[in-house]
Amino acid sequence: KAGVTQTPRYLIKTRGQQVTLSCSPISGHRSVSWYQQTPGQGLQFLFEYFSETQRNKGNFPGRFSGRQFSNSRSEMNVSTLELGDSALYLCASRGGQGGRDTQYFGPGTRLTVL
Amino acid sequence: GQNIDQPTEMTATEGAIVQINCTYQTSGFNGLFWYQQHAGEAPTFLSYNVLDGLEEKGRFSSFLSRSKGYSYLLLKELQMKDSASYLCAVRDGNSNYQLIWGAGTKLIIKP
Repeated sequence: KAGVTQTPRYLIKTRGQQVTLSCSPISGHRSVSWYQQTPGQGLQFLFEYFSETQRNKGNFPGRFSGRQFSNSRSEMNVSTLELGDSALYLCASRGGQGGRDTQYFGPGTRLTVL
Repeated sequence: GQNIDQPTEMTATEGAIVQINCTYQTSGFNGLFWYQQHAGEAPTFLSYNVLDGLEEKGRFSSFLSRSKGYSYLLLKELQMKDSASYLCAVRDGNSNYQLIWGAGTKLIIKP
């Protein structure tokens, strides 16, 4: 079974621009979560989508948004980029219910804002 | 509220044993996960506990005590490649099974 894929892997943008990141989950997984990770920081939860609906949301400003499509693929958008948005953005997928419902991570998109 | 605590950093010697602790407070405990993350890479799944007791998987074991809100990850026969951050995460059944993450423990292995 193919793993979680994320595109692009690397991205360089300038302040004020916007960016869209894409995530394709493991086949059959209905939940996609997004995280931001900066050097020395733990995983900061952005949001989770389950069956095209945002199910959980972290404490990020409205500049960060996302969506999920009917095939479970998800996109994350950041508008009006700031220098502090430079980070590794990780996507993770899982079945979405309880039980042994392990979250699997994609390789991440490293975003640099200049 | 919800809270997960792990030591920030630990140092151990190659070939030795190290125990990384994780304590948590959550209203709807629904399982605890350990992940390993090498620098610059994505976290990878190590272990899952939902019932009290020890789960062993090769050199790695994970223990859970739900009554104490406590877990540990035990790494035996340490190798240099075990140098990484170890993340503890608790699934909250009261919040749509959201994973609540600890800040991670950076483990440094010395020869």
